[in-house]
Amino acid sequence: GAVVSQHPSRVICKSGTSVKIECRSLDFQATTMFWYRQFPKKSLMLMATSNEGSKATYEQGVEKDKFLINHASLTLSTLTVTSAHPEDSSFYICSARGLGESSYEQYFGPGTRLTVT
Amino acid sequence: DAKTTQPTSMDCAEGRAANLPCNHSTISGNEYVYWYRQIHSQGPQYIIHGLKNNETNEMASLIITEDRKSSTLILPHATLRDTAVYYCIVRAPPLLGAQKLVFGQGTRLTINP
Repeated sequence: GAVVSQHPSRVICKSGTSVKIECRSLDFQATTMFWYRQFPKKSLMLMATSNEGSKATYEQGVEKDKFLINHASLTLSTLTVTSAHPEDSSFYICSARGLGESSYEQYFGPGTRLTVT
Repeated sequence: DAKTTQPTSMDCAEGRAANLPCNHSTISGNEYVYWYRQIHSQGPQYIIHGLKNNETNEMASLIITEDRKSSTLILPHATLRDTAVYYCIVRAPPLLGAQKLVFGQGTRLTINP
């Protein structure tokens, strides 16, 4: 199956700093990438959808100036958490959908655990 | 996208078949049933999907009732590595413009030795 990677796998940062998380599709081109966050013992919550070369579409309640998403190429999307605070500590997961009409599945990355101190 | 209802948790003995139910009584004609699972601290993993016919792959079988209002995911010989949260999601296929997957609470399946 298709492989999606995320980097870093875990990161600890201080309050007020910004953190960038990368999501890469390793063996396919991803026209659309999705970013989720997940709190402990909770389900995944979709944050935004990004299409290559265009602005991301954010879900209701997600601050676009807080969570900057860039999808500059067909294999890379980045999520930047700006001015992070402890309440931003979470598990961030990306997923990617490939080209072609047969791309029913979304492939998920392994997740990035962010801890803001 | 149609809403789904799943039991919060289930237990199954190792080596036995695990049958995970999902209700989707408001499913519409063009919506597929997808199953994903998430092992602790990992990203979700695609398992299987179907429209109305039963489906089988190397991981599982998907049984969809004739009226399509419910389905069952079957793991034929559960192992300890199958312990995970299983998500049943109903949505239209990407061909029709529906892109995002919306996750419910899922079923926490525990396989016991």
